[in-house]
Amino acid sequence: EAQVTQNPRYLITVTGKKLTVTCSQNMNHEYMSWYRQDPGLGLRQIYYSMNVEVTDKGDVPEGYKVSRKEKRNFPLILESPSPNQTSLYFCASSYTYNSPLHFGNGTRLTVT
Amino acid sequence: EDQVTQSPEALRLQEGESSSLNCSYTVSGLRGLFWYRQDPGKGPEFLFTLYSAGEEKEKERLKATLTKKESFLHITAPKPEDSATYLCAVQAGRGAQKLVFGQGTRLTINP
Repeated sequence: EAQVTQNPRYLITVTGKKLTVTCSQNMNHEYMSWYRQDPGLGLRQIYYSMNVEVTDKGDVPEGYKVSRKEKRNFPLILESPSPNQTSLYFCASSYTYNSPLHFGNGTRLTVT
Repeated sequence: EDQVTQSPEALRLQEGESSSLNCSYTVSGLRGLFWYRQDPGKGPEFLFTLYSAGEEKEKERLKATLTKKESFLHITAPKPEDSATYLCAVQAGRGAQKLVFGQGTRLTINP
């Protein structure tokens, strides 16, 4: 089944404790992206990747890192999480940057 | 700055009561406008892409239309299973790798 898989689905952590949210797609998509969704603010792009080893900042990249060492994987790294990073995070992929996105089912992160 | 505004924020309809959702945008050089559906606890699911003014797309009870300033998602004779949040997103000429999303319209269809 074609899908974007994110793990974990739920994560509670404390300020400053490094964490990684994994994202994997099995559709051989070139383009991958991370979004956060907050009430009243909608979906905002954090980082995107046009292909392996090619990443760039979205609209809200501060406090986040990404890497794209393999085509299928695009992990999101929070080196020192803070409470304002409490949010619902979505990974998405598509064949190219202007194709429709396929989204994962989200990771709900709480930073205390 | 590219902006996308969706209205209304929330809409309650009776089953069978047709209506329309609006997505207004201000962008420099529209490359594409996307509609997604999002169910609670899930990621958005792609519905339509529109590229130029006058274009229309249909799928079951949904029809999306596009003008130079806005898009409408018309829902005809909706059913309770059409209840969801509907998201609009635009891809503009500069930074076409990015999508700018609206805040969504939460649609509830009462049986």
